[in-house]
Amino acid sequence: NAGVTQTPKFQVLKTGQSMTLQCAQDMNHEYMSWYRQDPGMGLRLIHYSVGAGITDQGEVPNGYNVSRSTTEDFPLRLLSAAPSQTSVYFCASSYSYRDPKNIQYFGAGTRLSVL
Amino acid sequence: AQKVTQAQTEISVVEKEDVTLDCVYETRDTTYYLFWYKQPPSGELVFLIRRNSFDEQNEISGRYSWNFQKSTSSFNFTITASQVVDSAVYFCALSVPYSGGGADGLTFGKGTHLIIQP
Repeated sequence: NAGVTQTPKFQVLKTGQSMTLQCAQDMNHEYMSWYRQDPGMGLRLIHYSVGAGITDQGEVPNGYNVSRSTTEDFPLRLLSAAPSQTSVYFCASSYSYRDPKNIQYFGAGTRLSVL
Repeated sequence: AQKVTQAQTEISVVEKEDVTLDCVYETRDTTYYLFWYKQPPSGELVFLIRRNSFDEQNEISGRYSWNFQKSTSSFNFTITASQVVDSAVYFCALSVPYSGGGADGLTFGKGTHLIIQP
């Protein structure tokens, strides 16, 4: 009963380093997304995907890249980390993007610190 | 654009008190869904309830109840006889039909940190 799996759980980077946050879901969900959570800001959408090969930007996309080569995986890439990217990152998935009623299920989160 | 406002940043009550978390939303869409999520100290996000824009019936689930009022664009959450285990951050969120114009997804409020003191 895995659901949405995120790795790693914690990561510390130096400014300028790159890394990839992994996200995988085993529910055959069409829609996947990445959010960041900052104190007092709630969750803000970074990028999302409505299916394999299709991605789009969310509210705060700058500094992040995504791709979706399979239905299951939706990695988030930081090409050159900055202290402003220190945050908790959540991946989520839902059955379909076509109906707003679909519940988004979240991974456990990745806590990232950029020094 | 959509907006969700949770004006209460933090609420602290003593166990067994009733507490209401406020949520006000803005959208031009006539079809939309409202959600509440719970984030306990362990950090995960747990889905609690979903309500669509055409169903204004209140919902009760055990000690939890939700009051949806379209006239005031509010979807408030009440915990009756609160318990220490209810301590968490609670988020209200809004979903509208996919437009393909970017930024599609859940619009979250900033959350209310609920502290239940024993």
